[in-house]
Amino acid sequence: LAKTTQPISMDSYEGQEVNITCSHNNIATNDYITWYQQFPSQGPRFIIQGYKTKVTNEVASLFIPADRKSSTLSLPRVSLSDTAVYYCLVGDSTGRRALTFGSGTRLQVQP
Amino acid sequence: NAGVTQTPKFRILKIGQSMTLQCTQDMNHNYMYWYRQDPGMGLKLIYYSVGAGITDKGEVPNGYNVSRSTTEDFPLRLELAAPSQTSVYFCASSPTGVGDNQPQHFGDGTRLSIL
Repeated sequence: LAKTTQPISMDSYEGQEVNITCSHNNIATNDYITWYQQFPSQGPRFIIQGYKTKVTNEVASLFIPADRKSSTLSLPRVSLSDTAVYYCLVGDSTGRRALTFGSGTRLQVQP
Repeated sequence: NAGVTQTPKFRILKIGQSMTLQCTQDMNHNYMYWYRQDPGMGLKLIYYSVGAGITDKGEVPNGYNVSRSTTEDFPLRLELAAPSQTSVYFCASSPTGVGDNQPQHFGDGTRLSIL
């Protein structure tokens, strides 16, 4: 299983940029890195996915170094509604390797 | 605009009872997954399926069974409920696996308590 390690929790204030790093030392050549957001009593929701270098969409950026053993989710100018748990997921497109969510990072945004 | 639908939303079982958690998706996705999430913890993969008639074990399959007779449905069966199976169960689907920008779509979960 492709295992990931994230900080358990982070605190921030509204308007700040938040960076959450995920470690995935045994990532395989075919693996993609995907981040999800989960609010209480809801299923996880897709945020962003990447394979290498940098990916940006309307809500976040994902930075992946050349060795791909870690990745950083960047949330620009967070608001109170960004308070949630963020999960890093590593897996391949064939689905032959079982998928594992990390322990997640609980982000608390203060006013 | 249904996506992934799970039923029931809540259920209380007695030890030793059996039940089936239902999951259906209307997006014609090939891949489907079952996860459990214990309080304050991350998601753990129970079983997954890459297509009708094909299933495989995840990280925590003991005490569960699955079947995939159609593309749309992926039920999860608990044969002899135990208190350790008290959890929130999430079903998810995706067109292919994790890669190629094909994220998983999750249902709202089934909250199961075993007393």
